[in-house]
Amino acid sequence: AQKITQTQPGMFVQEKEAVTLDCTYDTSDPSYGLFWYKQPSSGEMIFLIYQGSYDQQNATEGRYSLNFQKARKSANLVISASQLGDSAMYFCAMRETTDSWGKLQFGAGTQVVVTP
Amino acid sequence: DSGVTQTPKHLITATGQRVTLRCSPRSGDLSVYWYQQSLDQGLQFLIQYYNGEERAKGNILERFSAQQFPDLHSELNLSSLELGDSALYFCASTREGGDSLATDTQYFGPGTRLTVL
Repeated sequence: AQKITQTQPGMFVQEKEAVTLDCTYDTSDPSYGLFWYKQPSSGEMIFLIYQGSYDQQNATEGRYSLNFQKARKSANLVISASQLGDSAMYFCAMRETTDSWGKLQFGAGTQVVVTP
Repeated sequence: DSGVTQTPKHLITATGQRVTLRCSPRSGDLSVYWYQQSLDQGLQFLIQYYNGEERAKGNILERFSAQQFPDLHSELNLSSLELGDSALYFCASTREGGDSLATDTQYFGPGTRLTVL
């Protein structure tokens, strides 16, 4: 069964606007971590932000913030003030502490295109 | 720059051949994970090593094998290559062995793009 679901295959956003990328997950593990990675067209995977299942506050890293709703099992990424350089594929991933020494399980990704 | 290095960046080879992909983790990281990214399967975990020992296996084919050396660099060996093995292969490293509270961020190398003709 799919553990990470990203329902938006692609989206356009105008420069300087905020964009929300959806991510829902499925786990019965009480302790887990949620990660977002960015993959530009050059191919590398860049770590953006982390949210732990026991964290009381939503994670923030610069223009990136995570809207973590544990009861709904969602961990949406919010990018504020979009820039042209934000155009990339974005992946949500989960790591469960009880599973296979912490492998990451990825969603299918969301392609973001930022327009001037 | 994540601090994880992978070589080569690109590899083009023919079906039936064997290749070796190399990964050097970040300084101080003991754990290496290998992932495959293909168009049809997305990002999939292959195998993990911690301090020289295999710790977890994912969807890794029998034609594929890996090892981690005493200096902690890792190699992924792909043999009897098929067209469907064409993909982007990533390694990622973390400091610990994965048994901490899901807080150990995996930092990815730039990947090796394998094309099998």
